[in-house]
Amino acid sequence: EAQVTQNPRYLITVTGKKLTVTCSQNMNHEYMSWYRQDPGLGLRQIYYSMNVEVTDKGDVPEGYKVSRKEKRNFPLILESPSPNQTSLYFCASSKLGTGGMNTEAFFGQGTRLTVV
Amino acid sequence: DAKTTQPPSMDCAEGRAANLPCNHSTISGNEYVYWYRQIHSQGPQYIIHGLKNNETNEMASLIITEDRKSSTLILPHATLRDTAVYYCIVRPRRAGGGADGLTFGKGTHLIIQP
Repeated sequence: EAQVTQNPRYLITVTGKKLTVTCSQNMNHEYMSWYRQDPGLGLRQIYYSMNVEVTDKGDVPEGYKVSRKEKRNFPLILESPSPNQTSLYFCASSKLGTGGMNTEAFFGQGTRLTVV
Repeated sequence: DAKTTQPPSMDCAEGRAANLPCNHSTISGNEYVYWYRQIHSQGPQYIIHGLKNNETNEMASLIITEDRKSSTLILPHATLRDTAVYYCIVRPRRAGGGADGLTFGKGTHLIIQP
């Protein structure tokens, strides 16, 4: 089954304790991205990657890191989490069409992170 | 600035067609109209997209006006499971240039009534 898998689904952590949220897709998609969703603010893009070893900042990258060492994985790293990073996080992937055309994005089921 | 305008909420009776409007008066020629929905904090789900012609798939139909300034998503026979927030997104045809162009606004909360 084609899917985007995030882990963990729920996480409670303390301020300053480094954490990683994993994201894996089995569709051989070139494009992967991370979003956060907060009440009243909608979904906002954090980082994206157009292929292996190619990453770039989205709209709200502060406090986050990403890496793309393999095509299928795109982990989100919080080096020193703070309470304002409490949010619902989504990973997404999509295939880049001919000439770099956008195609439909597939989303993971989300990771609810609480930083206390 | 928001690229799309949608009503915040709508009701529809189960079994009837749900028609969700979207205004995108500033759409440019290289932008598609995409629709996604999100069911109660699950990951957004792709529904349909189009450029200028009407489109239909197993989930819905998309009607885009001739001037492309507005569109309507039609769920032909709404069920209770269609209750969700529906997002209308104007998105560049080509990826890159800062983002994948998926800018989610507040969407329309569609409530299907039994």
